[in-house]
Amino acid sequence: NAGVMQNPRHLVRRRGQEARLRCSPMKGHSHVYWYRQLPEEGLKFMVYLQKENIIDESGMPKERFSAEFPKEGPSILRIQQVVRGDSAAYFCASSPAGPRGGEKLFFGSGTQLSVL
Amino acid sequence: QKEVEQNSGPLSVPEGAIASLNCTYSDRGSQSFFWYRQYSGKSPELIMFIYSNGDKEDGRFTAQLNKASQYVSLLIRDSQPSDSATYLCAVLNTGGFKTIFGAGTRLFVKA
Repeated sequence: NAGVMQNPRHLVRRRGQEARLRCSPMKGHSHVYWYRQLPEEGLKFMVYLQKENIIDESGMPKERFSAEFPKEGPSILRIQQVVRGDSAAYFCASSPAGPRGGEKLFFGSGTQLSVL
Repeated sequence: QKEVEQNSGPLSVPEGAIASLNCTYSDRGSQSFFWYRQYSGKSPELIMFIYSNGDKEDGRFTAQLNKASQYVSLLIRDSQPSDSATYLCAVLNTGGFKTIFGAGTRLFVKA
């Protein structure tokens, strides 16, 4: 049973370019979460999605950031017109549906975004 | 006030000792509490969860919860060098939609 798959592992972008980060949840999981982690800091919640729905995006910056989890295919975190401050590790996590089970997060390996 | 607060450490303990990690949280309505371990350069991994006041034991790990004091702790008995990592305290918010993480405590276990 494959775990949470994120790609790419490393992404280098120049300022002003777009970054697309992909996440395929564990089989049977219908909840996806995106977190950002800066060096020596904890995980900062960005967005929580279920298939075709954004449930909570309270941690997403108001501009340039968007996320989706389509009916088919992986969840995508999209950052437009990247700036140096976007450089960070972006982790995706998934959880199974249902009470209690939906609380335990299983993390992917992360995408390290570097903006030059 | 941060939603989840942890001492950043580093906490250094000798091999075989008990490591004690602490965490406080601000959302009084929170019902679910977690400890994740993160090795350097790796992703977080769930090691303990607790829902009720009191202690919960799993192998060398014991999680403790005191909702009245809004306090969660993790004890690691017989600490091993392989336990050296950052330990993240996490709390599911009252709405149940997002898990909030503390900044983590770095633990070093000296052989």
